Amino acid sequence: GAGVSQSPSNKVTEKGKDVELRCDPISGHTALYWYRQSLGQGLEFLIYFQGNSAPDKSGLPSDRFSAERTGGSVSTLTIQRTQQEDSAVYLCASSSGPLNTEAFFGQGTRLTVV
Amino acid sequence: AQSVTQLDSQVPVFEEAPVELRCNYSSSVSVYLFWYVQYPNQGLQLLLKYLSGSTLVKGINGFEAEFNKSQTSFHLRKPSVHISDTAEYFCAVSGFNQAGTALIFGKGTTLSVSS
Repeated sequence: GAGVSQSPSNKVTEKGKDVELRCDPISGHTALYWYRQSLGQGLEFLIYFQGNSAPDKSGLPSDRFSAERTGGSVSTLTIQRTQQEDSAVYLCASSSGPLNTEAFFGQGTRLTVV
Repeated sequence: AQSVTQLDSQVPVFEEAPVELRCNYSSSVSVYLFWYVQYPNQGLQLLLKYLSGSTLVKGINGFEAEFNKSQTSFHLRKPSVHISDTAEYFCAVSGFNQAGTALIFGKGTTLSVSS
């Protein structure tokens, strides 16, 4: 597609439920990133996929968070047993290669846990 | 691992005044450096980047930044700001190696331009 697409744009879920957030990167982009944006916290790195390399999961805040990237394209971020502190905007970005010349961002998914 | 510190969380400034947004980084390897901007209710977009070569890089909307390796800094400057520059600005760093590393962002600086 023309840009990075994220769905849903908004998600309200009850505490304790699982949620899945989807990211469609720009076609041909080998690098894909997930971030969490909270007020005053900037962009918190979650996970990074680069080609067929093992993902860098060092930013995942707990074992309730996981992400997959199927076929080197679409990625899904899963949050299990959601907590109120998980409420944030989750941003996905992609770039054309490992040298990070420019990351293109999606519009994000606003997650609200009630 | 890399990290980024943006020294000012908020910078208020009057229109047509100069501005500097400060960014320091930490890394054990050579780095690429970036500034991204997020206008109100919009997504992030790249403002400028340093990959190699000249340490003074120019970006969109009249912004520029200077890479200073000895001070591990990458401060963003504009000689005369406009109301439309009001936005949140993020400094980011990526370590340079063949496999690539994650793009790590600072906490952001909110630039508020008033008349």
